[in-house]
Amino acid sequence: DGGITQSPKYLFRKEGQNVTLSCEQNLNHDAMYWYRQDPGQGLRLIYYSQIVNDFQKGDIAEGYSVSREKKESFPLTVTSAQKNPTAFYLCASTHPRTGGSGELFFGEGSRLTVL
Amino acid sequence: AQSVTQLDSQVPVFEEAPVELRCNYSSSVSVYLFWYVQYPNQGLQLLLKYLSGSTLVESINGFEAEFNKSQTSFHLRKPSVHISDTAEYFCAVTPSNTGGFKTIFGAGTRLFVKA
Repeated sequence: DGGITQSPKYLFRKEGQNVTLSCEQNLNHDAMYWYRQDPGQGLRLIYYSQIVNDFQKGDIAEGYSVSREKKESFPLTVTSAQKNPTAFYLCASTHPRTGGSGELFFGEGSRLTVL
Repeated sequence: AQSVTQLDSQVPVFEEAPVELRCNYSSSVSVYLFWYVQYPNQGLQLLLKYLSGSTLVESINGFEAEFNKSQTSFHLRKPSVHISDTAEYFCAVTPSNTGGFKTIFGAGTRLFVKA
């Protein structure tokens, strides 16, 4: 079945450590996104990528980095510079035909807890 | 700047009762409108969307939403809820001049259906 796979589902890290969240899709979608979800705040855009080797900052990019070396993959690194990294992270993509409307397909999410 | 307001953070309701989850938005350009549903520790799933045409849109599981341009609202309704409808619901808006890349989410409404 086609879809978006995020891993790991749960992750714990110590302060000062970088961590990379994986996002892989087999939907043949061009555009991919990373969102951060905090209780009571909805979703906020971290980074998005329209095509391979191109990505743009979203509203809360500070302390995060991404790469897009393959169409299928869009990993997110949470760096030690991110002051409050504990959150639920969601990867998403848009279909080429409906992407202009912003209709999003989501992965299952990764919950990061900083100890 | 665009914004999305979900007027209720939590809505408790008895099974088989009707429910309305309210969503208002602010935008200087035309928008595409969405409702997503999220079950615990999962990603978001598209529930329904308004892109153009009829202002009343329906989902396959009995939800409906009506786009009201004059009141800039997109409220979600269901005439009779089930226990399985317990979830968090997000209203989202994509301004039509952003190529689909700048979807804005509301803070979410947690629907709790009681037996």
